[in-house]
Amino acid sequence: DGGITQSPKYLFRKEGQNVTLSCEQNLNHDAMYWYRQDPGQGLRLIYYSQIVNDFQKGDIAEGYSVSREKKESFPLTVTSAQKNPTAFYLCASSTSHQGQGAFFGQGTRLTVV
Amino acid sequence: GQNIDQPTEMTATEGAIVQINCTYQTSGFNGLFWYQQHAGEAPTFLSYNVLDGLEEKGRFSSFLSRSKGYSYLLLKELQMKDSASYLCAVRGGSGGYNKLIFGAGTRLAVHP
Repeated sequence: DGGITQSPKYLFRKEGQNVTLSCEQNLNHDAMYWYRQDPGQGLRLIYYSQIVNDFQKGDIAEGYSVSREKKESFPLTVTSAQKNPTAFYLCASSTSHQGQGAFFGQGTRLTVV
Repeated sequence: GQNIDQPTEMTATEGAIVQINCTYQTSGFNGLFWYQQHAGEAPTFLSYNVLDGLEEKGRFSSFLSRSKGYSYLLLKELQMKDSASYLCAVRGGSGGYNKLIFGAGTRLAVHP
């Protein structure tokens, strides 16, 4: 089945450690996105990529890094420079075709203690 | 840049009709999307508008006016399961053709 997979669903890390969240899609989508969602809030764009080997900062990129070495994969690293990393992280992918929305993974809930 | 506004909360009665508004400002426009998100879950795609007018899909309809930077999502025959957050998202803007920005969402509570 085609889809977008995030792993793990829940992740715990100690303060000061970098952590990488996985996002894989087999939908052959060109564009991929990372969003952060805090309780009761909307989705805020961290990074997005429109094509392999290219990505752009979103509104809250500080303290995060990404790579797009393969079309299928868009991992997000939450670095120790991110001041408040505990949040729900959502990955999405989309085509450029008109009429098709972005599809989301199940999300990763990161808790930093 | 991009700016998207929607009401924070709305309440409605089961069986009724509710309209959720969204206004946006963007330097480039490549479509407007509506998503539904239940608490603790990922958003699911509801509708898409790129041209002015109304798009209907079952109990859900979405309207777009590009000149006014305005959209609404219309939910008919409300059911209890429609209690969720509804997110308006705009694609495009100065960041590129595929940049997708979300509003803060509207929490809809459906009461018996």
